[in-house]
Amino acid sequence: GAVVSQHPSRVICKSGTSVKIECRSLDFQATTMFWYRQFPKQSLMLMATSNEGSKATYEQGVEKDKFLINHASLTLSTLTVTSAHPEDSSFYICSASGTGGSPTNEKLFFGSGTQLSVL
Amino acid sequence: GQQLNQSPQSMFIQEGEDVSMNCTSSSIFNTWLWYKQEPGEGPVLLIALYKAGELTSNGRLTAQFGITRKDSFLNISASIPSDVGIYFCAGGGSNYKLTFGKGTLLTVNP
Repeated sequence: GAVVSQHPSRVICKSGTSVKIECRSLDFQATTMFWYRQFPKQSLMLMATSNEGSKATYEQGVEKDKFLINHASLTLSTLTVTSAHPEDSSFYICSASGTGGSPTNEKLFFGSGTQLSVL
Repeated sequence: GQQLNQSPQSMFIQEGEDVSMNCTSSSIFNTWLWYKQEPGEGPVLLIALYKAGELTSNGRLTAQFGITRKDSFLNISASIPSDVGIYFCAGGGSNYKLTFGKGTLLTVNP
């Protein structure tokens, strides 16, 4: 089946630094990738939708300059948390949908998530 | 925006019992999906529903897409300890932009 690889799985950083999270589709072309944020014991909240080669669409309340999303190729999207602060500590999850390989247009696959801890 | 009401929030059951959880929405969705999430991991798809009225099974799991397209339920039969986890429903539009329910925490006592 299709696999979405998310890296790193866990990162600890100092306040004020930037952190980049990668999301790769391994056996299909991901025309659309989604980034979610999940606080402990909470649901997944959509942050933004990224389409390959175009600017990401951010959900209301999500700071574009804080959470930079790049989807430069059909297999890779990155989320960069800039000038991270303790309140940015959360579980970040990507998902990808697309064509080719195992999934059809109707299927969506999730990465395994990245636990970000900002000290 | 769209909101999903998922219930119950948590369940404590004995091994072997059947489980039922559901989600309702004030809005219509094109797809309903059910996911299971374990600590420190991303959600794993259990069942995907694409048509109103659709009833789909995956092993001991059965889910239905409500005829009004505003609700769905998930049943787990003969629960086992490894069923423990958080179950999320999610409603999707045509572009797979998902709205998640708040989750149901399932605990199974051996």
